Amino acid sequence: SAVISQKPSRDICQRGTSLTIQCQVDSQVTMMFWYRQQPGQSLTLIATANQGSEATYESGFVIDKFPISRPNLTFSTLTVSNMSPEDSSIYLCSVMGQGSYEQYFGPGTRLTVT
Amino acid sequence: KQEVTQIPAALSVPEGENLVLNCSFTDSAIYNLQWFRQDPGKGLTSLLLIQSSQREQTSGRLNASLDKSSGRSTLYIAASQPGDSATYLCAVDNSGYSTLTFGKGTMLLVSP
Repeated sequence: SAVISQKPSRDICQRGTSLTIQCQVDSQVTMMFWYRQQPGQSLTLIATANQGSEATYESGFVIDKFPISRPNLTFSTLTVSNMSPEDSSIYLCSVMGQGSYEQYFGPGTRLTVT
Repeated sequence: KQEVTQIPAALSVPEGENLVLNCSFTDSAIYNLQWFRQDPGKGLTSLLLIQSSQREQTSGRLNASLDKSSGRSTLYIAASQPGDSATYLCAVDNSGYSTLTFGKGTMLLVSP
């Protein structure tokens, strides 16, 4: 298994600003994932972040809006840029377990944009 | 595009009941399927992972089955307890790289 922490746990931000969310894992992992959970909706994959390469974004998500960094095998950041109220969601990072396809999730960051 | 549907959306049962949660998916070309529980403020916890070649997996009071050809999975919870109250999510991997497509979940309430 993997233990994942995220910072901040929640934040309230003003429209037009940006927020960077941090994700820290207690072990080295190859692949990290960022998901969004809008109110009342299921989780949607934003992008896959591999260390040493550009993140791979899913349809409907772009790098200018959600830039991602992956400086090493235990850490990643997701920035939500130029925020609008529609960005109010829970943002979660996850990793794939070593030697298995099981996924482990962080506790999430609850973002409210006013 | 893969779509995952979970029925029912919400379920309320008295303690001790056995219950079944359903998950269906439109694209049967999956590598695996996972069941998670989501507790408020605590993220997701992986419960069971079923590889595409498997028919079921068991962990304690939980049993998950997979019928890939019909695009269905069920999560069976035996002798439910108030601590089982949570939202249960089903997710499928079509990529082989753990990029998951989630259902909206079933919100379960087990009353004492």
